[in-house]
Order: sequence, then C-alpha cells, then structure tokens
Amino acid sequence: EIVLTQSPTTTAASPGEKVTITCLASSSVSNMYWYQQKSGASPKLLIYSTSSLASGVPDRFSGSGSGTSYSLTINTMEAEDAATYYCQQWSSNPLTFGSGTKLEIK
Amino acid sequence: EVKLLESGGGLVQPGGSMRLSCAASGFTFTDFYMYWIRQPAGKAPEWLGFIRNKANGYTTEYNPSVKGRFTISRDNTQNMLYLQMNTLRAEDTATYYCARGYFDYWGQGVMVTVSS
Repeated sequence: EIVLTQSPTTTAASPGEKVTITCLASSSVSNMYWYQQKSGASPKLLIYSTSSLASGVPDRFSGSGSGTSYSLTINTMEAEDAATYYCQQWSSNPLTFGSGTKLEIK
Repeated sequence: EVKLLESGGGLVQPGGSMRLSCAASGFTFTDFYMYWIRQPAGKAPEWLGFIRNKANGYTTEYNPSVKGRFTISRDNTQNMLYLQMNTLRAEDTATYYCARGYFDYWGQGVMVTVSS
C-alpha cells in the first residue's frame, strides 16, 4: 500500500498569502489528486492528474510534482479556502488518501 | 445536474449487516465507474472499492481492508449503486460516500454507526 504523508498537518495563512501543501508518497506514483473538504461537507475535487484544475475551481489553485513528491499551491489565500485538504493516489491498489492538511485563515 | 444520494445508514450491532444505496441521476450511469469511500469522524477518507462501467463488464475491485466483507453492486435499470456490508465491526463506524468515476461528484454521505 502506498502511504501518502502530507505536510504541514495544520497551518494558517493571512488573506493574500501564498500557501503550499506537500504530499510525499512512499513509492513513486504517476499522478496525484487533491481534494478540499469543508466542515460537514463531502470532499470536492480540486486538482486531477497532478496539475489539471477541476471544473469550477478558481485558478489561484495549482498542483505540481512527480515521482514521490507533489504539492498543492494556493497563490493568494482567501477566507473561503479555509478547509482540510487531502491528496490521493490511484496508481496502485488500494487507492489511498493522505492524512490531510487543515488550513485556517488568520 | 449530476446528483448522488446515499441512503440506508444508521445504527447496527457488531456482527450485523447493512446495505447502503446510492441513487444516481443527471448522467449516463452505465458509462461510469462508481466508487464507495468512507470517512471516520475527524480522519482521512478511505477508499472501499469500485464497480466498473458497462464497457468494462461491471466488474469490481476492493480495498483489501474490506474484501470479503463488503460487496459492491449496481442496478443499471434503476441507476442505483449498492454497498452490502457484512460482519460489521466498531471500526466500520464512519460516513459513507458514493462517488462517480474520476471522483468529480460525491454524494452528501450517510452515517453508519456500529455499536451495541
């Protein structure tokens, strides 16, 4: 099973600040997916295939990476971006999620 | 508009069984793989398994953590997805979600509590 380790576990950013969340895989994966989950809601797909923006997602979100290291960047933090973010791989069975990064607004 | 609506959750005793349903609408159901994912309170999601689309023969794959206890099926005439869960344990307590292939749409989730 591929384990995904996210960092930081928790972070806070001021409006307008740049935020980067990292996801390290225990083995190489071909792509990474990123989700945003707000309290009481279902996860929402943000990024697919490492760097492609899902429909309706603001372009302040971006993804990058390869092999075992991937990242999600929010170019300019907005209050509505406060949420928990998860990475996910499906290069091998079982499909696995990272442990999550809680992002708060300062 | 794509909609996924889970139902069938609730309280069940350890060792019991439960079947969850997911009603799909707004898309051609048979074209898509369908997934089940669960999320214990305050924890990360866990993929449970999926059932392939018509083109791939509606076959299934499971997370080894639930293989043999959980079964995914679909009724393509009713646009319904199912998760049959047997021999339930306390650690199966979670919110259960169905999701469309590519995880671009998720249901709102249904709570399952396994407790005596």
